[in-house]
Amino acid sequence: DVKVTQSSRYLVKRTGEKVFLECVQDMDHENMFWYRQDPGLGLRLIYFSYDVKMKEKGDIPEGYSVSREKKERFSLILESASTNQTSMYLCASSLHPAGNTEAFFGQGTRLTVV
Amino acid sequence: QQQVKQSPQSLIVQKGGISIINCAYENTAFDYFPWYQQFPGKGPALLIAIRPDVSEKKEGRFTISFNKSAKQFSLHIMDSQPGDSATYFCAAAPRADRGSTLGRLYFGRGTQLTVWP
Repeated sequence: DVKVTQSSRYLVKRTGEKVFLECVQDMDHENMFWYRQDPGLGLRLIYFSYDVKMKEKGDIPEGYSVSREKKERFSLILESASTNQTSMYLCASSLHPAGNTEAFFGQGTRLTVV
Repeated sequence: QQQVKQSPQSLIVQKGGISIINCAYENTAFDYFPWYQQFPGKGPALLIAIRPDVSEKKEGRFTISFNKSAKQFSLHIMDSQPGDSATYFCAAAPRADRGSTLGRLYFGRGTQLTVWP
């Protein structure tokens, strides 16, 4: 079974802190994604990556950056956390960029910024 | 701008009834339409998916109906069960080639389904 693992289920951080959310997948997937999920707004794409060291902005990249130094790991960075970044963050991966294939999600990290 | 519009936002159905969730899109480049199911505390998981070369796909109690000319697709859950209570997301993806946004999905805002016993 494909496994997408997010490093933390719950995080509480202070305003202004630099926050790292880590995601690891174990199936050699090329695509990786970071979404945030908010009630009534669904899943909004922050950033995605289709190869090591490659990244593309999604729909809401402001205030975030990403890093993909290894194929299996995709990190989301909040440069200076703010209260409006309190949310559920979901990482996902999919097999191949040249086909529409199933996306596998991690269990999510619920981030609270105080 | 919402690329995929989903309705209703919430749905309450009696056990044994039919649950219907609708989605609409505008981008004619979309050619893959999956539905994801999310239980509380879990990430979404693929439930069923369809491509526009067919008008219907059925897997057990779950059916996708697809209307290409109307640019609409819907999820039908027959004989709904309390265990089906979850949030459902429709999504769409464009034809994937090296020049496109590779493999990204555009999600609807979700429907919270509650099935009463």
